[in-house]
Amino acid sequence: AQSVTQPDIHITVSEGASLELRCNYSYGATPYLFWYVQSPGQGLQLLLKYFSGDTLVQGIKGFEAEFKRSQSSFNLRKPSVHWSDAAEYFCAVVLNRDDKIIFGKGTRLHILP
Amino acid sequence: NAGVTQTPKFQVLKTGQSMTLQCAQDMNHEYMSWYRQDPGMGLRLIHYSVGAGITDQGEVPNGYNVSRSTTEDFPLRLLSAAPSQTSVYFCASSLSLGLARTDTQYFGPGTRLTVL
Repeated sequence: AQSVTQPDIHITVSEGASLELRCNYSYGATPYLFWYVQSPGQGLQLLLKYFSGDTLVQGIKGFEAEFKRSQSSFNLRKPSVHWSDAAEYFCAVVLNRDDKIIFGKGTRLHILP
Repeated sequence: NAGVTQTPKFQVLKTGQSMTLQCAQDMNHEYMSWYRQDPGMGLRLIHYSVGAGITDQGEVPNGYNVSRSTTEDFPLRLLSAAPSQTSVYFCASSLSLGLARTDTQYFGPGTRLTVL
């Protein structure tokens, strides 16, 4: 079945350390790809998106993501996390331009002081 | 712009009661949708609308009704609440269903619903 997978339910990193959150999709074609962040008690906010072109995408809050077609992945990275990055992160895909967005189950990021 | 607003923020219902979750946006967005968020399940699409007068079912539509009489409003109705509908509900809107490089979905702050 076509899906988007976030293998890690929880990730804990120390403040100042680097971060990588994994996202894999299983579609025949390359979908449109997104990362959203949800802070506690808040709605979702778009961090970045990939439609085509350069496979390294820059987003807000210092985040970036790299699309790797060979691995069907769209992993989110940040060189140095801050305590305010503690949140839940959702990878999402849209298969075709007129399709609905499908979300992964999320990865909750915990930051150690 | 207020963006996407949702009311109420919190609601407790008894099994069998009905209620309407309100959602409004002031960005003249054509596309609006309702999601529910449950622990470990991510966001699941309930219903969506591509414009006034047009609605369609998402992944988990049973037990919910929607209507879209205006571009701005997209209420979600629970006809007879069940404990399985305890969840956090998010409304979202975007300029169009078809994606463009500048398009994105804007989410409301959510409604936390408990059904006893």
